[in-house]
This record gives sequence, structure tokens and C-alpha cells, in this order.
Amino acid sequence: SQKIEQNSEALNIQEGKTATLTCNYTNYSPAYLQWYRQDPGRGPVFLLLIRENEKEKRKERLKVTFDTTLKQSLFHITASQPADSATYLCALEEDFQKLVFGTGTRLLVSP
Amino acid sequence: EADIYQTPRYLVIGTGKKITLECSQTMGHDKMYWYQQDPGMELHLIHYSYGVNSTEKGDLSSESTVSRIRTEHFPLTLESARPSHTSQYLCASSEPDRGRETQYFGPGTRLLVL
Repeated sequence: SQKIEQNSEALNIQEGKTATLTCNYTNYSPAYLQWYRQDPGRGPVFLLLIRENEKEKRKERLKVTFDTTLKQSLFHITASQPADSATYLCALEEDFQKLVFGTGTRLLVSP
Repeated sequence: EADIYQTPRYLVIGTGKKITLECSQTMGHDKMYWYQQDPGMELHLIHYSYGVNSTEKGDLSSESTVSRIRTEHFPLTLESARPSHTSQYLCASSEPDRGRETQYFGPGTRLLVL
């Protein structure tokens, strides 16, 4: 069966450091992969989309890589801030515009 | 900020009651979705729609029903609420064109059935 794995343990880092979150998938051949941010009690907010023919995508302090051979995406936040504390979800297209989401990784950035 | 709205934000209701969760979007999106999410768990797709008069069941079996009479409106109904329906319900929409597949989420409705 198709599966998306994200580290279920919270990632604790200090302000100013780079946070790296991992998304692994099996039994998919996605044309693209997305990352979302979710704050407690809120809906997810789209951050970045990376296509299968793109190795890397950047947006301000965010960087996403996509390795279709390893079936893995890495999500980096550089110069992290306490305001970056949230749960980050990766998502893959299962069917035409139907997304499957991972469980998310909670990031805690301490001052 | 996405223009997608959900009401109510919080709902506490007794077992057996009929409830309707409202979702509206002003972006003109054809595709809309309902997800169910328990605390600390992944989102599960329960219903989706590709446009007016189109509704499909998602991957997670749900006793709820949906309707899509207008493009901007995608309400979810539970005919008889039960404690097992206690969860957060998230509505989303996406742009109609292939290649612009991001989903925009509403703030969610947190439902507690006593």
C-alpha cells in the first residue's frame, strides 16, 4: 500500500539553527510533492511545491529537495525563529488533485 | 490568506442530533474537499467534489454526506451525530488547472459529540 512517513517525534532546535525535516514515501511515483504548515487548531497552509524534474526549490528561508530515486524529500528552514514552531506536513498526489498527507513533524524552535 | 470559510468553528452537540458543517470559498475553485483530522494524526479525505453536482467519497469511510449545488458552497451533513464523530473537520479547495494543485484550507470545525 502507498505510504508517507514523517518523523513522528518532535524536532527541537535553537533559534538561528537550520531545521531539517524528512518525508519518505513508498509505492508512489508522484509528479510533485508539497509541504504545508499547520498550527494547532488551524487548517494547513501551503508552503512549497516541488516537481519530479526539480531537484531543489527555494522560497525565502525555506528550501525543499526532492530525490525520486531515494523516494525522499527534505524540508529545510534556515535561520529558524520561534515563530517557525508548527507542524509541517508533506503531501503527495494520489490521484488527479487528490492529496495524501503524512502525519507531520512538529518543530519547536526555542529562543 | 485563503478565502475559504467554515462555520461553526466549534460545535458541542448531543448524540442523535443532525448537524451541518458549512464551507464556502470565494476563489471560484471547482474542486473542493472535506478532511477529518484527529489530534496529532494525519488528515483523512472523506469527501471531494470536482464541481457542481459532483460528489465522491474519499479514502476514509464516513457516515457523513455532502452536496454541491453551488460552486462556492460544499456543506457536510451528519444525520445522527455519535461520539465517534468527534474530530476536527477541515474543508479545502484547489485551483481548476492541472499544474496548480495546491490546496487552500479553511480554519476547520472542531466537533464534540457528547
